[in-house]
Amino acid sequence: NAGVTQTPKFRILKIGQSMTLQCAQDMNHNYMYWYRQDPGMGLKLIYYSVGAGITDKGEVPNGYNVSRSTTEDFPLRLELAAPSQTSVYFCASSTPSGGRETQYFGPGTRLLVL
Amino acid sequence: EDQVTQSPEALRLQEGESSSLNCSYTVSGLRGLFWYRQDPGKGPEFLFTLYSAGEEKEKERLKATLTKKESFLHITAPKPEDSATYLCAVQAVGNTDKLIFGTGTRLQVFP
Repeated sequence: NAGVTQTPKFRILKIGQSMTLQCAQDMNHNYMYWYRQDPGMGLKLIYYSVGAGITDKGEVPNGYNVSRSTTEDFPLRLELAAPSQTSVYFCASSTPSGGRETQYFGPGTRLLVL
Repeated sequence: EDQVTQSPEALRLQEGESSSLNCSYTVSGLRGLFWYRQDPGKGPEFLFTLYSAGEEKEKERLKATLTKKESFLHITAPKPEDSATYLCAVQAVGNTDKLIFGTGTRLQVFP
């Protein structure tokens, strides 16, 4: 199992550009999540999904969009990139376990918006 | 509001010098408390989950404990390879999809 994979590893965007961060998992997990991590701050939840076709906002969803057409993939879309979106983005997945779900994280995508 | 506070922010230890990291939490009802390890440039790596006060879990030189207000990660005789940032997160009752993270403790172990 590759676990949770993310591409790209690093990207530089200009202000106003758009991009999609890719996330895939091969553990057949139902739940998937997107977090951002800024220096000195805890991980903040952007969006999450409990299954294909179902997504919901987390704590910091503004400026982002997601879709979940398959169990395996959960891409994160940035529209009109802004410097405030400079961050490290982590995707995670988990599976329902009677309320005892453990989230497993990908290696992250480092994004710089200039 | 659900909240997680970790202390200290940074900790420097000599190899073999045991210590503890603290995670204090405020949550309406605790479903689970998670400890992760994060190496520079990598994603968080799962270590432990604790579900009820009094529970303890161990892995090599690490031992996690839980009370009704806080969790401790005890590091016994640390080695340089234990150097990392340790993250604590809580999952609240009725909020099973979401983790609330602390800001982490950056541990450096010197030979």
